[in-house]
Amino acid sequence: DTAVSQTPKYLVTQMGNDKSIKCEQNLGHDTMYWYKQDSKKFLKIMFSYNNKELIINETVPNRFSPKSPDKAHLNLHINSLELGDSAVYFCASGHTDTQYFGPGTRLTVL
Amino acid sequence: AQKITQTQPGMFVQEKEAVTLDCTYDTSDPSYGLFWYKQPSSGEMIFLIYQGSYDQQNATEGRYSLNFQKARKSANLVISASQLGDSAMYFCAMRERGSGGYNKLIFGAGTRLAVHP
Repeated sequence: DTAVSQTPKYLVTQMGNDKSIKCEQNLGHDTMYWYKQDSKKFLKIMFSYNNKELIINETVPNRFSPKSPDKAHLNLHINSLELGDSAVYFCASGHTDTQYFGPGTRLTVL
Repeated sequence: AQKITQTQPGMFVQEKEAVTLDCTYDTSDPSYGLFWYKQPSSGEMIFLIYQGSYDQQNATEGRYSLNFQKARKSANLVISASQLGDSAMYFCAMRERGSGGYNKLIFGAGTRLAVHP
């Protein structure tokens, strides 16, 4: 009965590869998010979707492409991975007064 | 300019004592929300407490309370009766209205709390 789930938990890959991270929520929220946490633990929003529609895109390189097949799912696809993409990526969903986070995906680009 | 400031990179507290983690914010939006999250060493982000800008009373959730001082733009987290399991990174965040009128969270840099036995 996990509220927000992400797969995979760990992702190790070579520079230049393409990878995807999947996210699902069973909380019935209309809005989902992707955040990036860098090596200094700083968290920054990347994208937000409301009812399958992109509503926030925080100047993220266009190698990152989110996709929301339905309002319970928000996936993140990353093309041509670079060393600087190494980070923990969190999916979240929520309302005005709460946001629940998934367990995070630690991406390591070698 | 920093919108959320957590001035304490690290704090320590003795088990069973209370501790206050500081957070100040900056916004011109009259409607906003303030959140605290806990991130233990296992890495997950755990929602602790929420305070809306129009809420008259300070939010409380078990051993957590939010000391909301609107005029001073501060939203400090108070943890009473600290436990060893409270050792973690704590993040303050503000809900801000982004372009298009949709909400997003802006996070502070975090405070690492260590609870000593």
